[in-house]
Amino acid sequence: EVQLVESGGGLVQPGGSLRLSCAASGFTFSSYEMNWVRQAPGKGLEWVSYISSSGSTIYYADSVKGRFTISRDNAKNSLYLQMNSLRAEDTAVYYCARTRLPLWFDPWGQGTLVTVSS
Amino acid sequence: DIQMTQSPSSVSASVGDRVTITCRASQGISSWLAWYQQKPGKAPKLLIYAASSLQSGVPSRFSGSGSGTDFTLTISSLQPEDFATYYCQQANSFPPVTFGGGTKVEIK
Repeated sequence: EVQLVESGGGLVQPGGSLRLSCAASGFTFSSYEMNWVRQAPGKGLEWVSYISSSGSTIYYADSVKGRFTISRDNAKNSLYLQMNSLRAEDTAVYYCARTRLPLWFDPWGQGTLVTVSS
Repeated sequence: DIQMTQSPSSVSASVGDRVTITCRASQGISSWLAWYQQKPGKAPKLLIYAASSLQSGVPSRFSGSGSGTDFTLTISSLQPEDFATYYCQQANSFPPVTFGGGTKVEIK
């Protein structure tokens, strides 16, 4: 069974940092492009970042560029999101999602909640 | 960036009703459109991709149509498990991927 499990969310003060992880299983992780998508409380979906299967190509949403860093470890079947200089508006559930070519998201993890508040 | 606009933002319907949700792109996206279903507290689930292709395991009462800028998701006979929020997503222009604002299907 294909499974994505996020971890690392929590409460952090504005300006702080947090590192999210996404553990993949049930498929050949190294063959798939991956993404982070977030959802603020009561709001819609916002794509955050993309990484190619090898990690050589990376994209970010303008709202997080320069503050967030996506990475992956194919040997550990894991995806990461390093979030620095966090702001209140970064408060959201963060989902990792596998890319189904060309750019559909399937499946998604269960999400991890990040709350930025003093 | 391509803007995706969904309408209505919410719809009240009864079991057995036919429900139609519309998604409009700010510029042509050919058939590069997907629909997702999200239930409260759960992750989104891919329903339809490439505008009209049904994801494996999704009931046939769901269908998608359209191309260019105007797209439609139709539920032919609403079932109790279909009450959820639905999102469209364009994959024509990247980055960024963009989603519609969502349509909540509520019980009448």
